Amino acid sequence: EDKVVQSPLSLVVHEGDTVTLNCSYEVTNFRSLLWYKQEKKAPTFLFMLTSSGIEKKSGRLSSILDKKELFSILNITATQTGDSAVYLCAVATGTASKLTFGTGTRLQVTL
Amino acid sequence: GAVVSQHPSWVICKSGTSVKIECRSLDFQATTMFWYRQFPKQSLMLMATSNEGSKATYEQGVEKDKFLINHASLTLSTLTVTSAHPEDSSFYICSAPSRTSGNYEQYFGPGTRLTVT
Repeated sequence: EDKVVQSPLSLVVHEGDTVTLNCSYEVTNFRSLLWYKQEKKAPTFLFMLTSSGIEKKSGRLSSILDKKELFSILNITATQTGDSAVYLCAVATGTASKLTFGTGTRLQVTL
Repeated sequence: GAVVSQHPSWVICKSGTSVKIECRSLDFQATTMFWYRQFPKQSLMLMATSNEGSKATYEQGVEKDKFLINHASLTLSTLTVTSAHPEDSSFYICSAPSRTSGNYEQYFGPGTRLTVT
């Protein structure tokens, strides 16, 4: 059975802090690892990672994948209150890229 | 990017009635769509894979007779919750993969919040 585990489950930080969210996985027929941000509605796409060691960046967010150790991290620097959300990690497998989601990390950024 | 729509965005129904939720890929074709369910403060759980022109594939523990899936065209999949009960109240989200640069990226619908009274 495919498994995706995220840590920590929840996190409270002060505005301006840097956070690192973790995602490890055990799946068969790996295609890609994806990060999503979920506020009140459906998840919004952040990154898709397919190759090891290549950092993807978007503003204050960055992510990297390690396919040997089967994990990924999502970094957020200089956090803002608008970063408060649940961050979901998902792994796509198979020819149609079925997604298995982790439990999510609930991030709260306080003033 | 590709757009997926869902209708309705929210619905309240009485226990015992059936509710149909539509998922449409607006600017691309999707031979496969996925249906997820999310309970409060939990992650998305895959319910089933909807396949155009053939039967859906259900995940373990999901009753196929209760959650009827029909993928009648390359842009539309429907999920019908039959004889709904309060425990079926949840956030239902569909997604469709679209291929970009050799990899499939999943595009999510905005979700449907179902409340069964």
